[in-house]
Order: sequence, then C-alpha cells, then structure tokens
Amino acid sequence: EVQLVQSGAEVKKPGESLKISCKGSGYSFPSYWIGWVRQMPGKGLEWMGIIYPGDSDTRYSPSFQGQVTISADKSISTAYLQWSSLKASDTAMYYCAREPIVGARDWGQGTLVTVSS
Amino acid sequence: QSALTQPASVSGSPGQSSTISCTGTSSDVGGYNYVSWYQQHPGKAPKLMIYDVSKRPSGVSNRFSGSKSGNTASLTISGLQAEDEADYYCSSYTSTNTPVFGGGTKLTVL
Repeated sequence: EVQLVQSGAEVKKPGESLKISCKGSGYSFPSYWIGWVRQMPGKGLEWMGIIYPGDSDTRYSPSFQGQVTISADKSISTAYLQWSSLKASDTAMYYCAREPIVGARDWGQGTLVTVSS
Repeated sequence: QSALTQPASVSGSPGQSSTISCTGTSSDVGGYNYVSWYQQHPGKAPKLMIYDVSKRPSGVSNRFSGSKSGNTASLTISGLQAEDEADYYCSSYTSTNTPVFGGGTKLTVL
C-alpha cells in the first residue's frame, strides 16, 4: 500500500525557519515525482513545486520560486518543504502528493503551519 | 502561469447530471493531455477522480467522466448523489514544466 506520511502541525513566529517532511512508503520513492500543494484557510489548492527524488530535478511554480525550497533524500524516502523566514501569509495547510503531473492518486494527510506573533 | 478558470459554483438535483468546466490556454490545457480532476470534502485531502483527461482511477465511480476540447476541459458527474457535494479542482501540466490548479468549483446537490 502506497503511503505518504507528513510531519506534524507547526506553530511558528514570523521570521523563523521551518522544514516539513513527507515520507513515502510502499513504492519506489526515487521513481515518482512528488509535488507540494498549499491550501490557505478557506481557499483553493495551489501547486508550489515538484521534485523527482531520483535525481533531485526540482521545478517551482512561478509564484513560489524563491519563496520556498523543495528537496528530497531518496536514501530515507523523504521529501521536504522549507522556509528560511516565515511570514503570517504562510499560514496554510500543506500537502504532498505523488505523481502530480499525470494525476496524484496518493496524498499525505497534510501539515498545518500556523505563523503568528 | 495563471490559475485555470473554473466556475465558482454549480448545482444539481439528485439523479441529474452536472458539468464543471476548466478553461486554460494552449500553454496548459490545450497543449497537454495531462488534465486531472480532484474532489475535496471539507477537512480532507484531495482525491483523484480523473487523470489523463478522461481516465478513471480504480475505485472511482463511472458516474464521473472527463473530456477536453481545445483549451477547455470538463468534468461531468451523472446521477448526482448527496455524497458528491464537495469542491472540485482541475489541474493541468504547463509549459513551465509544473502543474497548475483551477480556482475550484463548489458543487451543491440540492
């Protein structure tokens, strides 16, 4: 069974850094693209970027280029999404998903990030 | 790269059909057959309903179907049921080598 398990909810202050994770199991992690999705409170879904863990080929959606960093460690089947300096506007639910290009059948449970002073 | 255009809301009575459109450009919907549709219930992760424009993942009801003409893709739900009430999002691969979502459509089953 394919599973994507995300790290737990985070509460941070503006200006702090953060790295959240998404661990895959039940399939060949290096061989499938992983995408990150933002969903702000009461709003729609937004693709942030995608990564191919096999060679770390990473592509960012234009709105998120320079705002976040996506990475992966194929040795531990884990993808990451990180911020160097959080803003209140980063408050959202973040999902990881497998095969974002063709159609993402498998999703993580979501990580709620709250940024508040 | 702008979000694909979907109607904010659609509605239908139980047993009827409802169609949601998703309009893009030749740089996304019109240029690739990587169009997918997702269903999201409140507080839940999205669920893939259609991929590659018109294919259904195993386990998805055949009441859900997808199509594309030019720069517009469509999701049709036939025989509406109360459980179909949810938000629906289209997604397409784009010329920037990343996917993009539509703004989302709230389906109400009257």
